[in-house]
Amino acid sequence: KNQVEQSPQSLIILEGKNCTLQCNYTVSPFSNLRWYKQDTGRGPVSLTIMTFSENTKSNGRYTATLDADTKQSSLHITASQLSDSASYICVVSPYSSASKIIFGSGTRLSIRP
Amino acid sequence: EPEVTQTPSHQVTQMGQEVILRCVPISNHLYFYWYRQILGQKVEFLVSFYNNEISEKSEIFDDQFSVERPDGSNFTLKIRSTKLEDSAMYFCASSRDNSLQETQYFGPGTRLLVL
Repeated sequence: KNQVEQSPQSLIILEGKNCTLQCNYTVSPFSNLRWYKQDTGRGPVSLTIMTFSENTKSNGRYTATLDADTKQSSLHITASQLSDSASYICVVSPYSSASKIIFGSGTRLSIRP
Repeated sequence: EPEVTQTPSHQVTQMGQEVILRCVPISNHLYFYWYRQILGQKVEFLVSFYNNEISEKSEIFDDQFSVERPDGSNFTLKIRSTKLEDSAMYFCASSRDNSLQETQYFGPGTRLLVL
């Protein structure tokens, strides 16, 4: 069964610190992997998209990595800000279906001043 | 910046009633989607829509659900006879195409509560 698992479930860090969120998936073959940021009560907002052939993708202070061999991805946030407090969701698209994307349960990140 | 909008933001309904959730996708987008997120759970794919017909749907999207693009701007999700377990946040999304690098843009969601 295609699954996307994320860790940790929640994380608290101090403002200005860096952090790394993990995503493991069993979707195979897959076409792309995305990281989304979801503020409470809002829709997800895309941060990065990587195809199966890409290893890294950056968007400002966000850097995503992908290891297709181990089926792992990470999202690294540098110099965290209070506005980074949100859920971060890993999403994988099966190769057979670009639409039926599979969401992870997310990591709830809290940035403390 | 263009964005996906959804109405209403909140809807409370009695079990067995019909509800229609409305979405206005980004104007030059061609692919439209509905997702739901039950409180505390993962976001789940419901259906995708292209060229005025359903292109894919999940097991969740049974005969109680239907989608429609009644005019050039709106995209609706209808639940014919709501059940308690339909209570969730429903997100609409749109994209220009469904290529590998294409981003899906999500609306703010409609929170549906079935009593």
